[in-house]
Amino acid sequence: NAGVTQTPKFRVLKTGQSMTLLCAQDMNHEYMYWYRQDPGMGLRLIHYSVGEGTTAKGEVPDGYNVSRLKKQNFLLGLESAAPSQTSVYFCASNKGGDQPQHFGDGTRLSIL
Amino acid sequence: AQSVTQLDSQVPVFEEAPVELRCNYSSSVSVYLFWYVQYPNQGLQLLLKYLSGSTLVKGINGFEAEFNKSQTSFHLRKPSVHISDTAEYFCAVTSTGGFKTIFGAGTRLFVKA
Repeated sequence: NAGVTQTPKFRVLKTGQSMTLLCAQDMNHEYMYWYRQDPGMGLRLIHYSVGEGTTAKGEVPDGYNVSRLKKQNFLLGLESAAPSQTSVYFCASNKGGDQPQHFGDGTRLSIL
Repeated sequence: AQSVTQLDSQVPVFEEAPVELRCNYSSSVSVYLFWYVQYPNQGLQLLLKYLSGSTLVKGINGFEAEFNKSQTSFHLRKPSVHISDTAEYFCAVTSTGGFKTIFGAGTRLFVKA
């Protein structure tokens, strides 16, 4: 049982480059989330989705876009990477409400 | 709006000693409360959750937490820690009827031999 899988695990980009982070879950969860984790700041919500074909902005959405074309996949895109986007990115999913979130192992992204 | 404050950024403790990690929250509505643990280079894993009922909640790995509504706190405790408990711990809240979760900044527990 894979749970939540994130690819890639590591990436180094140059300023201005673009990339897409992929999140896949096999638990048939409706809700999916993208967070960034920075030292001393906990997890901050970037974007989220409440079901296939839906997306919405979270706390820190600027510079990111997302898509949820299939229920099991949630993609996070950086159109023009900036050094301020250097972070660890986590994807999570759940059934919503009182259910805990299930997390992937993260993508460590460095922007030079 | 909701907020979560973890009162200690780092907690060093000797092996087999008790530990308490403190969490206070602020919310104008009822909430669900969670503690997650993050080991190095991994994602967060659920330790325990409070949804309703008994205010003392038991979780995995011998951890427990007590919900105190009057003090808006949800402190995490373990009577005797192990080296393997070294990790970062996050307190989190979700409003009842909602789904978005607010996380605290985390507390690094460092267990020394």
